[in-house]
Amino acid sequence: QQQVKQSPQSLIVQKGGISIINCAYENTAFDYFPWYQQFPGKGPALLIAIRPDVSEKKEGRFTISFNKSAKQFSLHIMDSQPGDSATYFCAASMRSGNTPLVFGKGTRLSVIA
Amino acid sequence: DGGITQSPKYLFRKEGQNVTLSCEQNLNHDAMYWYRQDPGQGLRLIYYSQIVNDFQKGDIAEGYSVSREKKESFPLTVTSAQKNPTAFYLCASTFARGSTEAFFGQGTRLTVV
Repeated sequence: QQQVKQSPQSLIVQKGGISIINCAYENTAFDYFPWYQQFPGKGPALLIAIRPDVSEKKEGRFTISFNKSAKQFSLHIMDSQPGDSATYFCAASMRSGNTPLVFGKGTRLSVIA
Repeated sequence: DGGITQSPKYLFRKEGQNVTLSCEQNLNHDAMYWYRQDPGQGLRLIYYSQIVNDFQKGDIAEGYSVSREKKESFPLTVTSAQKNPTAFYLCASTFARGSTEAFFGQGTRLTVV
């Protein structure tokens, strides 16, 4: 049973465009939703995270939108740059239960000039 | 510098052999995790440990074993029982209580030859 479903699997965006990656979760006990960025041959690194008490969080060009009723959250990358080309993973966990992060299957983003 | 160190970066194993992947952290984190990454499959949890001398199976523990004798170290052994061991293995750590950001190592790419 896949607890976090991520789409699309791959995404090609023009430089300067907006990249949008979506995730849906099933477990309503999840209360922490991070996004990780991974470059080839490297480990993932935390990009931005949100808790369900807010609907949106912005850090620079990266924004998480969160819809608790729909059990969905998304990552928006504004003014996408070639350096943003990487694999992005959404994840979810229950902080109160000290549970491990559950990851989506990832989205490979390519930003072309 | 604080962080997580995985070694070796590349590892080759003959079929039928056990092999141990190293993971060391100096972040004073309580919890440590092993994930397996395959193309298009995201990060799947193998084992995790929230305290020394204790660990729990993840979603794909069969064919793997771990130990947690020291807070800083969480080695993973890939046994000959693992049917398809070729993959990219990632180690991560968090503070157990109210854990949020997971820090990842740079990964070990294991190839069975």
